Amino acid sequence: AQSVTQLDSHVSVSEGTPVLLRCNYSSSYSPSLFWYVQHPNKGLQLLLKYTSAATLVKGINGFEAEFKKSETSFHLTKPSAHMSDAAEYFCVVSVGTGRRALTFGSGTRLQVQP
Amino acid sequence: EADIYQTPRYLVIGTGKKITLECSQTMGHDKMYWYQQDPGMELHLIHYSYGVNSTEKGDLSSESTVSRIRTEHFPLTLESARPSHTSQYLCASSEFSGNTGELFFGEGSRLTVL
Repeated sequence: AQSVTQLDSHVSVSEGTPVLLRCNYSSSYSPSLFWYVQHPNKGLQLLLKYTSAATLVKGINGFEAEFKKSETSFHLTKPSAHMSDAAEYFCVVSVGTGRRALTFGSGTRLQVQP
Repeated sequence: EADIYQTPRYLVIGTGKKITLECSQTMGHDKMYWYQQDPGMELHLIHYSYGVNSTEKGDLSSESTVSRIRTEHFPLTLESARPSHTSQYLCASSEFSGNTGELFFGEGSRLTVL
């Protein structure tokens, strides 16, 4: 079985400063990894995904993540935070098929201070 | 942009009432999911469907039931609502093959049971 750990439940940054949201995973097989964003009272939206191609993945809104197999990590970064980035972010690991394929992290709430 | 719709977005009802949360998608996806999410918390899978006439319980026990008579429609029903059912319910879909983890989410149905 796979698991995913988001190391910070809350992250607060100032507008214009870098963002780092940390995600570690464990899996017996080669996983796919995803980051989703959820704005208040909305569903989740896919930010980016890693599926065994390039290890540095670029997503929407200037976010990117790097798959590091040796560290079992998939941290999400953005060079400069914007007020509109304030939201909940979920890291997801996917292995195989079926209802047990997906495992969600517990989420990281990003606050952006003016 | 994803085409998956949930109604109602918000529902306040009294204890003992029967409710149905609707979910429809126009992408022809075989896999559909219902997640339960309490405020500020992670997502828990409560129902899963591989395709028409194929449903499974998820990892979190739920008193709700689902049906999948048509590919595009995956309603969730509570026969007798209780205050413990107060939560946000998120519907999602994905393609049967390919990137298993890439989910498309509706905007959610927030249920309050008095």
